[in-house]
Amino acid sequence: EDQVTQSPEALRLQEGESSSLNCSYTVSGLRGLFWYRQDPGKGPEFLFTLYSAGEEKEKERLKATLTKKESFLHITAPKPEDSATYLCAVSLVQGAQKLVFGQGTRLTINP
Amino acid sequence: DAGITQSPRHKVTETGTPVTLRCHQTENHRYMYWYRQDPGHGLRLIHYSYGVKDTDKGEVSDGYSVSRSKTEDFLLTLESATSSQTSVYFCAISDPWSGRGNEQYFGPGTRLTVT
Repeated sequence: EDQVTQSPEALRLQEGESSSLNCSYTVSGLRGLFWYRQDPGKGPEFLFTLYSAGEEKEKERLKATLTKKESFLHITAPKPEDSATYLCAVSLVQGAQKLVFGQGTRLTINP
Repeated sequence: DAGITQSPRHKVTETGTPVTLRCHQTENHRYMYWYRQDPGHGLRLIHYSYGVKDTDKGEVSDGYSVSRSKTEDFLLTLESATSSQTSVYFCAISDPWSGRGNEQYFGPGTRLTVT
């Protein structure tokens, strides 16, 4: 069964304290891995797509990396406005237009 | 926002009544999706469409039907609502031929409560 697992479930950091979120997957054939940000009461907002092991993408204080079994979302010197739930999803070779989501990591940045 | 609207944004209905949620896009994307999001389960795919009148089931399709008569509109119908269908429903769109890749773009969501 294709599975996506995110850890930790929740993470509380002080402003400026860097950390990483993990997304591990066991799937039959990975076509792409996606990161989203979701604020309370809103729809997920697309951040990054990664397609192959070793690939990295950056946007402001966020950097996403991909290996053959997992992806990391690194957050450098976070600010309170980075507080959100971060979702990871994978698309498969079979059924490439469908996404399988993890349950998310709820990130809180305290000022 | 990616030009996606959902209506209604909030709805309270009674068990056994039919409910239709609407998703409208202005991006001319080929694929449209309906998800539900529940605590402890994350986002789960209900149904999706890969073109006008072309639809397929997702992992939690029981009790739901969909229709797509125009590129821009994708309707989700609960034929006879049950309390287990209380959830937040999200519509999404994608089009790998648009130059954007396989990523999906989400609407603002509809909060449905079945009493």
